[in-house]
Amino acid sequence: AQSVTQLGSHVSVSEGALVLLRCNYSSSVPPYLFWYVQYPNQGLQLLLKYTTGATLVKGINGFEAEFKKSETSFHLTKPSAHMSDAAEYFCAVSGIGAGGTSYGKLTFGQGTILTVHP
Amino acid sequence: KAGVTQTPRYLIKTRGQQVTLSCSPISGHRSVSWYQQTPGQGLQFLFEYFSETQRNKGNFPGRFSGRQFSNSRSEMNVSTLELGDSALYLCASTSDGYSGNTIYFGEGSWLTVV
Repeated sequence: AQSVTQLGSHVSVSEGALVLLRCNYSSSVPPYLFWYVQYPNQGLQLLLKYTTGATLVKGINGFEAEFKKSETSFHLTKPSAHMSDAAEYFCAVSGIGAGGTSYGKLTFGQGTILTVHP
Repeated sequence: KAGVTQTPRYLIKTRGQQVTLSCSPISGHRSVSWYQQTPGQGLQFLFEYFSETQRNKGNFPGRFSGRQFSNSRSEMNVSTLELGDSALYLCASTSDGYSGNTIYFGEGSWLTVV
């Protein structure tokens, strides 16, 4: 079974500071990994994803993440935080079932709430 | 192009009642999934439909059911509502549901059971 652990349910940074949100996964097969963001009273918006190829993935709004197989990690970073980045962030792994796919299923971490102080 | 559309956005039901939520996927997407989001359990996968067939199912009781129509629109139903069913229900769509494809989410339906 696959699982995702997000270290830190709350992260607080100052505007302009580095944002680092941690995600570790467990998977017996090469994973597909995703980061989503959720603003209050809204659904989930995809920030970026890793499937194959380059391990450093760039996403929207200046975010990027690096897939490190040896560390089973997929941490999300942004060099300079903006007030508009305040939201909840979810790391997810695409399910793998019989036949190599698990249709439509993502397994999510518990989420990290990012607070940005002026 | 329009995103995933869910209706209604907010609803309040009484214990023991049933509820039906509706989802229209992104045009051209044939795979529709449903998720439940609660503060305690987080985001949990309910089920996935493709071409009117359920292909995948999460670990929820039989009170939770769904269906998909020929135009890919989907509904989910919860019967005999319990207080613990209060949650944000998210619908998501993707082209074919295969692992690695981007899954797009709607804004959700907020269900409160009283």
